[in-house]
Amino acid sequence: TVLTQSPATLPVSPGERATLSCRASQSVSTNLAWYQQKAGQAPRLLIYGASTRATGIPARFSGSGSGTEFTLTISSLQSEDFAVYYCQQYNNWPKTFGQGTKLEIK
Amino acid sequence: QVQLQQWGAGLLKPSETLSLTCAVYGGSFSGNFWTWIRQSPGKGLEWIGEINHSGGTNYNPSLRSRAIISVDTSKNQFSLRLISVTAADTAVYYCARSVKGERLGRDFYLYYIDVWGRGTTVAVSS
Repeated sequence: TVLTQSPATLPVSPGERATLSCRASQSVSTNLAWYQQKAGQAPRLLIYGASTRATGIPARFSGSGSGTEFTLTISSLQSEDFAVYYCQQYNNWPKTFGQGTKLEIK
Repeated sequence: QVQLQQWGAGLLKPSETLSLTCAVYGGSFSGNFWTWIRQSPGKGLEWIGEINHSGGTNYNPSLRSRAIISVDTSKNQFSLRLISVTAADTAVYYCARSVKGERLGRDFYLYYIDVWGRGTTVAVSS
């Protein structure tokens, strides 16, 4: 299952809303996760089941979607949110990741 | 709180075998899948495979049987061997824990990654 994330880079100002997209080449139901990765660090789980926030993740992060279309929304960007975001599906074999969206400061 | 500590050789020559081990501290070793992922600039994040405490495994077919994942429950450790490496295997390798998500059947679940190790950089060069 190929996951296509858009845009590749998203310039956003702190305090603004960011909307990231992930499209699957075939249905993954709601078995999709979102991860945040900062430079030199491992990815960190943000969302699983398409819309459930992981433990300790702030409420400004929200996920939605099902089937083939998914969205990660960050309601009001903080300085620590500028990073690369990946979606991953775990519904079909093999499990696959999107190529990432880099959130950069505008 | 679970922590994953990984180690292994960081520089290999073509045709050698990559060998990495990940130790699990805290949390339950059973009931989860233990996963290997790699990340390279050219291919992004790639799921390699996973193993449970009973030794049940799932692999990415793209690695064409070169990957072998094993588990040592007495030490709460799991390992990755990747045989006949080439430059294309140069990447950061991560170990991770995969936990139960959606239940599909009586004893069948889908698993997603919730905790990652820090990663090990592996370079393959002659």
